[in-house]
Amino acid sequence: EAGVAQSPRYKIIEKRQSVAFWCNPISGHATLYWYQQILGQGPKLLIQFQNNGVVDDSQLPKDRFSAERLKGVDSTLKIQPAKLEDSAVYLCASSARDSRYEQYFGPGTRLTVT
Amino acid sequence: DQQVKQNSPSLSVQEGRISILNCDYTNSMFDYFLWYKKYPAEGPTFLISISSIKDKNEDGRFTVFLNKSAKHLSLHIVPSQPGDSAVYFCAARERIQGAQKLVFGQGTRLTINP
Repeated sequence: EAGVAQSPRYKIIEKRQSVAFWCNPISGHATLYWYQQILGQGPKLLIQFQNNGVVDDSQLPKDRFSAERLKGVDSTLKIQPAKLEDSAVYLCASSARDSRYEQYFGPGTRLTVT
Repeated sequence: DQQVKQNSPSLSVQEGRISILNCDYTNSMFDYFLWYKKYPAEGPTFLISISSIKDKNEDGRFTVFLNKSAKHLSLHIVPSQPGDSAVYFCAARERIQGAQKLVFGQGTRLTINP
């Protein structure tokens, strides 16, 4: 079974530029999550999708971050414009609807904003 | 507001001995607790979990203990092996309006010395 795929793996941009990350979850997983992990901290949930609907986006900075999950499969997370404090690893995870609550994570995208 | 705390940023243990990683939480509404393991440049991988109605769950060399009155859980690894060297995250599940949300601690870096 293929795992969660993410691209790119690394991205360096200047502040005020825009960037997009892509995630392909495990086949058949209805729930998809985007996390932000700042160095030295644990992952923080940004947004959660159930199929193509948003379940929780309470911690998503909506003035600059946006995410979509068209057709309930792949997802993209966008930052526009980026700030220095957005430097982090962005993790995508997915889970089956009836899983034992564990989520399966992708390798992440390391974003550096200069 | 840190609802899940791992107060030890790092831990060093000799190979073959027991490793004990600790986690404290504040939200009594958490109903499930999980431990994730993370290697460099990879996403976190699920290790073991425990329901809030239990006080112990064991899986091979890994045992998680939950003390609800103290709002404390711990992960025991025995015997510790060099491959256990990684960052370990404690996570707690919260149900909000039908959605499942994981709240992560800051992580503990475990180093197993030969």
